[in-house]
Amino acid sequence: NAGVTQTPKFQVLKTGQSMTLQCAQDMNHEYMSWYRQDPGMGLRLIHYSVGAGITDQGEVPNGYNVSRSTTEDFPLRLLSAAPSQTSVYFCASSYSMGGVQETQYFGPGTRLLVL
Amino acid sequence: LAKTTQPISMDSYEGQEVNITCSHNNIATNDYITWYQQFPSQGPRFIIQGYKTKVTNEVASLFIPADRKSSTLSLPRVSLSDTAVYYCLVGPHSGYSTLTFGKGTMLLVSP
Repeated sequence: NAGVTQTPKFQVLKTGQSMTLQCAQDMNHEYMSWYRQDPGMGLRLIHYSVGAGITDQGEVPNGYNVSRSTTEDFPLRLLSAAPSQTSVYFCASSYSMGGVQETQYFGPGTRLLVL
Repeated sequence: LAKTTQPISMDSYEGQEVNITCSHNNIATNDYITWYQQFPSQGPRFIIQGYKTKVTNEVASLFIPADRKSSTLSLPRVSLSDTAVYYCLVGPHSGYSTLTFGKGTMLLVSP
């Protein structure tokens, strides 16, 4: 199993550009989520999905869109990048949305710099 | 979810035992305590979980007193590779809930 994979590893954008951060898992997990991590801020939940076709907002959803057309993939879209979105983005998955019981498996992260 | 408080940072030397304490005064009856570890430039990974008393695995031990208002993650004989951020999470063991990662504790192990 590859686990949770993320692409790209690093990306530089100009303000106003759009892009999609890719996330895929091969563990047949129902629950997937996106976090952003900024210095001194810990991880903050952006969006999550409890299964194909079902998504919901987390703590900091503004400026981001998600969709879940398959169990395996959960892309994160930035429609118009802003410097405030400069961050490290982590995708995670687990068997279900079961609180702390469910071990979260994280991807390696995508470092995004918006100029 | 119960609010947690951890030290921002800790320093240690190789070979020492490190204890990181997490306070969770408003822990609920059905809440469990879970710890994650995040190495630099990597995503967090699960290391240990418990409900009460003591839990031990190949990576760490977790001590939880009877009142469960705090918990202590113990790392025996740390090495340089244990330098990481450690997150304490408290929440229901099951049910429909997201996880909340605080700022964690940055552990720096020196030679």
